[in-house]
Amino acid sequence: DADVTQTPRNRITKTGKRIMLECSQTKGHDRMYWYRQDPGLGLRLIYYSFDVKDINKGEISDGYSVSRQAQAKFSLSLESAIPNQTALYFCATSAPGRRITDTQYFGPGTRLTVL
Amino acid sequence: QKEVEQDPGPLSVPEGAIVSLNCTYSNSAFQYFMWYRQYSRKGPELLMYTYSSGNKEDGRFTAQVDKSSKYISLFIRDSQPSDSATYLCAAYGNNRLAFGKGNQVVVIP
Repeated sequence: DADVTQTPRNRITKTGKRIMLECSQTKGHDRMYWYRQDPGLGLRLIYYSFDVKDINKGEISDGYSVSRQAQAKFSLSLESAIPNQTALYFCATSAPGRRITDTQYFGPGTRLTVL
Repeated sequence: QKEVEQDPGPLSVPEGAIVSLNCTYSNSAFQYFMWYRQYSRKGPELLMYTYSSGNKEDGRFTAQVDKSSKYISLFIRDSQPSDSATYLCAAYGNNRLAFGKGNQVVVIP
């Protein structure tokens, strides 16, 4: 987990506030991802980026935006937080390259509560 | 229908028992199949992966894939309390990775 760091680790905010979650990695990977995890729903992909100039929507991107500031940094923003965005958020990285599968390395997670 | 289905029901077993977990998937493009383990308050980490159909063994862990029935399994032999975690299956193909919901496993000493 130390190779992928997330800040903050915990955040409580109010409905309507803008929130930014940050992710940094020292693995030198090109690909970065943001997921949210909810009980009974599992991991769902919000956004992903295959390199600094590439941003792609995942399955649940509405209400979220991202910024890939550098190869090592990928931030997730909630423009106007709402209670159903309360979840555990994970950043992940990968570098398929010549690997036969896309192993993802996850950060420790950010627990976000929207009141 | 999710691309990877996994019954999230918690599973409690006594120490030393065999743990059996399984998933099904629907996308025929998936070629690689993985199991991630997630401890409480941690991010998921890759446990093992297999390519196409067949078995793969790593210590007490065995992963099986049957592409004809689109069925993925993980077996944990001689389960230990340290195996208590949530196990997520995943499938990958055509630059797409899909996760199951995860199974919480509790091994009781």
